[in-house]
Amino acid sequence: AQTVTQSQPEMSVQEAETVTLSCTYDTSESNYYLFWYKQPPSRQMILVIRQEAYKQQNATENRFSVNFQKAAKSFSLKISDSQLGDTAMYFCAFMLPQGGSEKLVFGKGTKLTVNP
Amino acid sequence: DTGVSQNPRHKITKRGQNVTFRCDPISEHNRLYWYRQTLGQGPEFLTYFQNEAQLEKSRLLSDRFSAERPKGSFSTLEIQRTEQGDSAMYLCASSFGLAGGELFFGEGSRLTVL
Repeated sequence: AQTVTQSQPEMSVQEAETVTLSCTYDTSESNYYLFWYKQPPSRQMILVIRQEAYKQQNATENRFSVNFQKAAKSFSLKISDSQLGDTAMYFCAFMLPQGGSEKLVFGKGTKLTVNP
Repeated sequence: DTGVSQNPRHKITKRGQNVTFRCDPISEHNRLYWYRQTLGQGPEFLTYFQNEAQLEKSRLLSDRFSAERPKGSFSTLEIQRTEQGDSAMYLCASSFGLAGGELFFGEGSRLTVL
């Protein structure tokens, strides 16, 4: 079974600074997808960024980028120029491709607070 | 609003009662998921549908839980004989069902069992 581990329950960062959230996962599969989802307080979860395991290039979305280390099974999220609106729970998640169990498996999350 | 809609948003019930939650996915989406999230935890998978077919159920989904998606559109999640341990946020999500595709989540239905 696939598992996702987020070792930082809470983090804080000053506005405009950079912060990195950690995620490790365990799987015996070679092809899969990794995600970071954001859940603002009392709001629905939204996708931040997505990475396909067979792509070596790290995904980027504006101020958000990942450091994907396949051999180490590590998938960290870097948020640059942090903004107050980035305050949220961040969940790392894993999904197998079609033909596998096509559900998201989530980590326990990291609560990020951006301070003014 | 064309997002995923969940009703009711909050349900308070007494132990032993039955409750039903409804999820209306984004209309073009053929995949529908149910997750459960307790305070301070990540969402835990319960079940998912491809159109009207229920493709996978978690072991978390005891025989008191049942989910349906009768016409491949909206879905219901029923919990019979509720227990205090059922208190949680129940999240619904939908997707196009593409490989590694994005899931779009609703705002959730919060269940409180007294």
